[in-house]
Amino acid sequence: KAGVTQTPRYLIKTRGQQVTLSCSPISGHRSVSWYQQTPGQGLQFLFEYFSETQRNKGNFPGRFSGRQFSNSRSEMNVSTLELGDSALYLCASSVGQHQETQYFGPGTRLLVL
Amino acid sequence: TQLLEQSPQFLSIQEGENLTVYCNSSSVFSSLQWYRQEPGEGPVLLVTVVTGGEVKKLKRLTFQFGDARKDSSLHITAAQPGDTGLYLCAGSYGGSQGNLIFGKGTKLSVKP
Repeated sequence: KAGVTQTPRYLIKTRGQQVTLSCSPISGHRSVSWYQQTPGQGLQFLFEYFSETQRNKGNFPGRFSGRQFSNSRSEMNVSTLELGDSALYLCASSVGQHQETQYFGPGTRLLVL
Repeated sequence: TQLLEQSPQFLSIQEGENLTVYCNSSSVFSSLQWYRQEPGEGPVLLVTVVTGGEVKKLKRLTFQFGDARKDSSLHITAAQPGDTGLYLCAGSYGGSQGNLIFGKGTKLSVKP
């Protein structure tokens, strides 16, 4: 079974631009969660989607948004990029809602210049 | 406020040594997970502990969940260079708050 895939793996953007990251969960998994990882703050929860609905949201500004499609694939979007948005963005999938066993993808490394 | 404190932040040891890393919180979790993350990769789940006082062994790794379900430790016996990585603990409140709360991790380097 293929693992969680994320595209692109690396991305360079400039301040003020927007970016869309993509995540394909493990086949059969219906829940997708997104995390931001930085050296200073560690891994921080962004949001969780289950059956195309956002179930939980972390403490991030409205510039961060996401969605999930009927095939469970998910995208997250960051608008009006700031330097502080430079981070590794990780996607994790799990079988069902509130499933505690999450499987992580390799992440998308975003650099904002 | 960091809900999960991991210590030490950095650890550099020689192959064959033993080590223990800690994960502490003032919150009670329904479960706690340990992950290892290697550079350029996402975290990989090592173990989930659920019951207070629970001890789980995974080859040379021993995980313990505190009796009050607020803290956990990971002990590695006879560390090997392949154990090098970032060790993360993550707590879950369960139920409708199923998202994980992560510590900042312990960066372990095992030198041959």
